Amino acid sequence: QVHLVQSGAEVKKPGASVKVSCKASGYPFTSYDINWVRQATGQGLEWMGWMNPNSGKTGHAQKFQGRVTMTRDTSISTAYMELSSLRSEDTAVYYCARVYGSADYWGQGTLVTVSS
Amino acid sequence: DIQMTQSPSSLSASVGDRVTITCRASQGVRNELAWYQQKPGKAPKRLIYAASSLQSGVPSRFSGSGSGTEFTLTISSLQPEDFATYYCLQHHNYPPLTFGGGTKVEIK
Repeated sequence: QVHLVQSGAEVKKPGASVKVSCKASGYPFTSYDINWVRQATGQGLEWMGWMNPNSGKTGHAQKFQGRVTMTRDTSISTAYMELSSLRSEDTAVYYCARVYGSADYWGQGTLVTVSS
Repeated sequence: DIQMTQSPSSLSASVGDRVTITCRASQGVRNELAWYQQKPGKAPKRLIYAASSLQSGVPSRFSGSGSGTEFTLTISSLQPEDFATYYCLQHHNYPPLTFGGGTKVEIK
């Protein structure tokens, strides 16, 4: 059974960085892209970027240019998303999702709170 | 990038009602569209993929239709557990993925 399990909630100060992990199980980790999506409280779903776990190739939405880094460790089937220069507007729940066509399996979400 | 316009943004309905939600793409996406249900505090759950294919385990009262630029999610008889927010997602020109703005289905 496919599972994506994310790391726990984080509280960060403005200007800091956060790194969220997403551990995959139940399928070949390198066979499907991992995407990251975030959702501010009461708002819709916002696509952040993607990673091919096999090649390590990544891409991201323009608004995160220079601030987001997506990596992986294939030995432990885990993807990571690091967001830097955090500001209050980055307070949101961050999701990883497996993508095969559309996003079929999602992690449980990680709440990142940015507050001084 | 392709834009997805979802309507209505919210609706009130009663148990047993037929509910229809629409998503319009700014350009053709063939059938590369999915529908999701999201309940408070939970991750989105895929209901429909490839515009009209029902995800395994999803009740048959959910159905999707459309192709190109116009898509519809229909709930044939609304149940109490269906009160949630629904999103469409296009993946025609992935990456990126593009979500609709969401439709909140509330109890009348």
